[in-house]
Amino acid sequence: DIQMTQSPSTLSASVGDRVTITCRASQSIRSWLAWYQQKPGRAPKLLIYQTSSLQSGVPSRFSGSGSGTEFTLTISSLQPDDFATYSCQQYFSYPWTFGHGTKVEIK
Amino acid sequence: QKQLQESGPGLVKPSETLSLTCTVSGGSINSDKYYWGWIRQPPGKGLEWIGSIYYSGSTNFNPSLESRVAMSIDTSINQFSLRLTSVTATDTAVYYCARTIGHFFDYWGQGLLVTVSA
Repeated sequence: DIQMTQSPSTLSASVGDRVTITCRASQSIRSWLAWYQQKPGRAPKLLIYQTSSLQSGVPSRFSGSGSGTEFTLTISSLQPDDFATYSCQQYFSYPWTFGHGTKVEIK
Repeated sequence: QKQLQESGPGLVKPSETLSLTCTVSGGSINSDKYYWGWIRQPPGKGLEWIGSIYYSGSTNFNPSLESRVAMSIDTSINQFSLRLTSVTATDTAVYYCARTIGHFFDYWGQGLLVTVSA
């Protein structure tokens, strides 16, 4: 299985901050990576697919980059609605696997 | 507005079978564009893909669960289902159904907590 490792596990930030979350794959997944946002008690919400393609309706302050084994999710200016847990998912090979999540909390 | 809704028992006894159904509304599941998947999340932990099913009935499962998992699909009533046999406490989780496009998940159900306990 391809292991997905996210860092940091928790991130404390303020409204307006630029935030970057990293996801590393245990082997190359080319660009087959998605990012999800999850709030407590809610289902995950797709933010980005194919490393950098923004899902319809997702604000443009979210962006993704990377290739191979290292990927980043950036929030250009953190908004109150963005405090949540973010998870990456590889879909290069079965079984599809997720990172354990990065919790973005209020500083 | 496409919606997915999980249903099934919230409590299952150890060694028994967990059975869940996902009802899709706002669109037909009888489409060659999508797979339909199940993902679970143990309390306080990350997401785990369980498996996916195509409208034709073909399936792909996570090898870690493959020996205990079955999925079915009924396109006439826009539902697909999950069966997980011989459950233990480690199967306690929120179970989500989701639509899969290009092998990522774009629409999710709200999730159903299933607790395995005597």
